[in-house]
Amino acid sequence: EVQLVESGGGLVKPGGSLRLSCAASGFTFSSYSMNWVRQAPGKGLEWVSFISGSRSYIYYGDSVKGRFTISRDNAKNSVYLQMNSLEAEDTAIYYCARGTMVRGIIFDYWGQGTLVTVSS
Amino acid sequence: EIVMTQSPATLSVSPGAGATLSCRASQSVSSNLAWYQQKPGQAPRLLIYGASTRASGIPARFSGSGSGTEFTLTISSLQSEDFAVYYCQQYNDWPPLTFGGGTKVEIK
Repeated sequence: EVQLVESGGGLVKPGGSLRLSCAASGFTFSSYSMNWVRQAPGKGLEWVSFISGSRSYIYYGDSVKGRFTISRDNAKNSVYLQMNSLEAEDTAIYYCARGTMVRGIIFDYWGQGTLVTVSS
Repeated sequence: EIVMTQSPATLSVSPGAGATLSCRASQSVSSNLAWYQQKPGQAPRLLIYGASTRASGIPARFSGSGSGTEFTLTISSLQSEDFAVYYCQQYNDWPPLTFGGGTKVEIK
């Protein structure tokens, strides 16, 4: 059974940093891309970042480019999101989602999310 | 960036009735479109990809159609567990991967 479990969320002040983690199990982790998708309170879904299985390809959404860094450790079956220079607009539930390539990336499994609140 | 627009924002439907949700892309995405369902307090769940292919374990009452810029998700005979928010997502031209704003299907 595929499982994705996020951790690391919490309350942080504007300008601060936070590192999210996502532990994966139930599939061959290195064979899949991993993504972070966020959802602001009461809002829709926003793709944040992508990392390929081999770490050869990394992409970011414009709203986080230059502030967030995605990484993965295939030996630990984990993906991470380092978030720096946090802004109030980054307040959201952050979901870790497995990416499956079907001519593009679809998100076939999701974690339950971790809440990040940016507030003074 | 491809902008995805969903309509209506809210759809009120009686249990047992059918529902039709629309998703429009700002430019052609071919058939590279997925639909997700999200219930309150839960993560999204993949329903449909390739515009019309149901994901594993998804009931046959969910069907998708369309190509290019116009897409439809149809739910026949709504069950209580189908009342949720539905999102479309394009993966034809990325990054970025983009979602529509969602359609909430509520009980009438």
